[in-house]
Amino acid sequence: RKEVEQDPGPFNVPEGATVAFNCTYSNSASQSFFWYRQDCRKEPKLLMSVYSSGNEDGRFTAQLNRASQYISLLIRDSKLSDSATYLCVVNVGGSYIPTFGRGTSLIVHP
Amino acid sequence: EAGVTQFPSHSVIEKGQTVTLRCDPISGHDNLYWYRRVMGKEIKFLLHFVKESKQDESGMPNNRFLAERTGGTYSTLKVQPAELEDSGVYFCASSVIGGTEAFFGQGTRLTVV
Repeated sequence: RKEVEQDPGPFNVPEGATVAFNCTYSNSASQSFFWYRQDCRKEPKLLMSVYSSGNEDGRFTAQLNRASQYISLLIRDSKLSDSATYLCVVNVGGSYIPTFGRGTSLIVHP
Repeated sequence: EAGVTQFPSHSVIEKGQTVTLRCDPISGHDNLYWYRRVMGKEIKFLLHFVKESKQDESGMPNNRFLAERTGGTYSTLKVQPAELEDSGVYFCASSVIGGTEAFFGQGTRLTVV
């Protein structure tokens, strides 16, 4: 079983739609959780950290469920510019090595 | 402040040749990571430095790969001799001690022909 699993998609949605991505992780000792965004042929960039209580940043909401070992990302009112690959990243155990999921591709169309 | 920089941005080499990739982390970041993304696969961890020490190199594919971080500043990743399956994008990332956000370089796209 992979350490971090994501549905690769693609998720193809119209502008204005709400879309949600899930990510599961296998190591219960995982400490920190992040969503990164990667545009085509670019480096991953931090979108938001994920806190136990859940957190929101504008149209983006991240949730963590430690009991079920998954994190989620909700994007409301999708924009064309949201089209990208969204990477679930988990810092595993005490070594704090960021471990990546395969990424979920989002395509927002007019 | 400069971000993580990697050089070169692209490299095309023949099978059997040697290539050296360089990463300059953000100043003051003691953690330095190397990753590789092969087409269609996830970004995979290669190794982790804390300052000049290798903390974890469990992701290094084989002994054709050698990473160094002399002086705890920039790092190099040498592939010798390169094989076709080494093609991919090599990312470097850095962070401060404490497991906070990792900042990524723009990557080196390596093509072995």
